[in-house]
Amino acid sequence: QKEVEQNSGPLSVPEGAIASLNCTYSDRGSQSFFWYRQYSGKSPELIMFIYSNGDKEDGRFTAQLNKASQYVSLLIRDSQPSDSATYLCAIRLGSSNTGKLIFGQGTTLQVKP
Amino acid sequence: GAVVSQHPSRVICKSGTSVKIECRSLDFQATTMFWYRQFPKQSLMLMATSNEGSKATYEQGVEKDKFLINHASLTLSTLTVTSAHPEDSSFYICSARDRGQGSPLHFGNGTRLTVT
Repeated sequence: QKEVEQNSGPLSVPEGAIASLNCTYSDRGSQSFFWYRQYSGKSPELIMFIYSNGDKEDGRFTAQLNKASQYVSLLIRDSQPSDSATYLCAIRLGSSNTGKLIFGQGTTLQVKP
Repeated sequence: GAVVSQHPSRVICKSGTSVKIECRSLDFQATTMFWYRQFPKQSLMLMATSNEGSKATYEQGVEKDKFLINHASLTLSTLTVTSAHPEDSSFYICSARDRGQGSPLHFGNGTRLTVT
């Protein structure tokens, strides 16, 4: 089992819709979870992080964390064509904030005008 | 957020030569930096953790003698790909950990290495 799993997609949604991206992880001790966006040929950029169960909202983005079920998701409201990118889920192994980040394979999102 | 600068952004070299990639933290001190590699259509794979003033910690399967890491100061880590081969062609990305809440990683712009 991979440490971080994502559906590679592509996930295609129409402009203005909600895009839902999911990620599961295997390390029950992990406490910090991150979502990055990566445009083709570019390096990843941080969207948001979450470490408490429940929802965390930042603008059009909402991260959801369920530690009991070991999944973390990212919702993008009012999707725009500029949101088309690969979204990487990452977890920090262990409970320390110095642990290394492990990335999933990423989900490609396509927002169609 | 924290700013990480990586140089060069693109390099083409001949097989057998060595290439050095620099990673700088511009507005903060980074005691730890992380080097990732990404092949096309694949995710980021952690190569090594670079620790200021001490030896780097390499991930399983990464040759430490081939990928030399030096972290001589709190703002600079370098990765040298020695005796490069075409299979080393990849996107190399450095990152540093933000000391703020959540301690997320911030990435440099990456280096596209092509070995001919």
